[in-house]
Amino acid sequence: GNSVTQMEGPVTLSEEAFLTINCTYTATGYPSLFWYVQYPGEGLQLLLKATKADDKGSNKGFEATYRKETTSFHLEKGSVQVSDSAVYFCALKTSGSRLTFGEGTQLTVNP
Amino acid sequence: SQTIHQWPATLVQPVGSPLSLECTVEGTSNPNLYWYRQAAGRGLQLLFYSVGIGQISSEVPQNLSASRPQDRQFILSSKKLLLSDSGFYLCAWSPGGQGGFGANEKLFFGSGTQLSVL
Repeated sequence: GNSVTQMEGPVTLSEEAFLTINCTYTATGYPSLFWYVQYPGEGLQLLLKATKADDKGSNKGFEATYRKETTSFHLEKGSVQVSDSAVYFCALKTSGSRLTFGEGTQLTVNP
Repeated sequence: SQTIHQWPATLVQPVGSPLSLECTVEGTSNPNLYWYRQAAGRGLQLLFYSVGIGQISSEVPQNLSASRPQDRQFILSSKKLLLSDSGFYLCAWSPGGQGGFGANEKLFFGSGTQLSVL
């Protein structure tokens, strides 16, 4: 079956630090991969996605590259801001299946 | 350990028919409960959340309603489905006592229901 394993949090960084949140997956078939973000007081929203191997999703300075050889989709940002504090969810979906989410990683960025 | 059950996994319903999706949580008390929807090509949208029995907050106006008849049971309903109700519905829970959303809240999701309204 499909599964997503996310780096456990919480993660605490100083402003302008480099961010990596690890995500690895197990899937039958060829999944599409997603990162969702939940800012305080809001619902989940899609941050970025990649639909095939070697694709790079990017948005708001965040990037993640679909690595089939390592079954990974790590989220990165070169310089985080206080406003990036949120919970980040990695997810995957294969054709005909439901979304499978990781459990989420809490990120706190201090000024 | 806590588990969340959501059913059915897939559902095909005609326009104008009623809907009832059920979600239950085990292994915890007084959880916060949520219904999300993902329409094709879009991100997840929060529909309803509940911090206690009979307490329902709606995030967006729509053709759907939610109820929480028991502490760990959350039901999504409609009297008459529309084509636009098609989508992927996710139930989720988080530890209670936070009065709703909190900065440190983590969500645990059910496996989802793929609803097709034809």
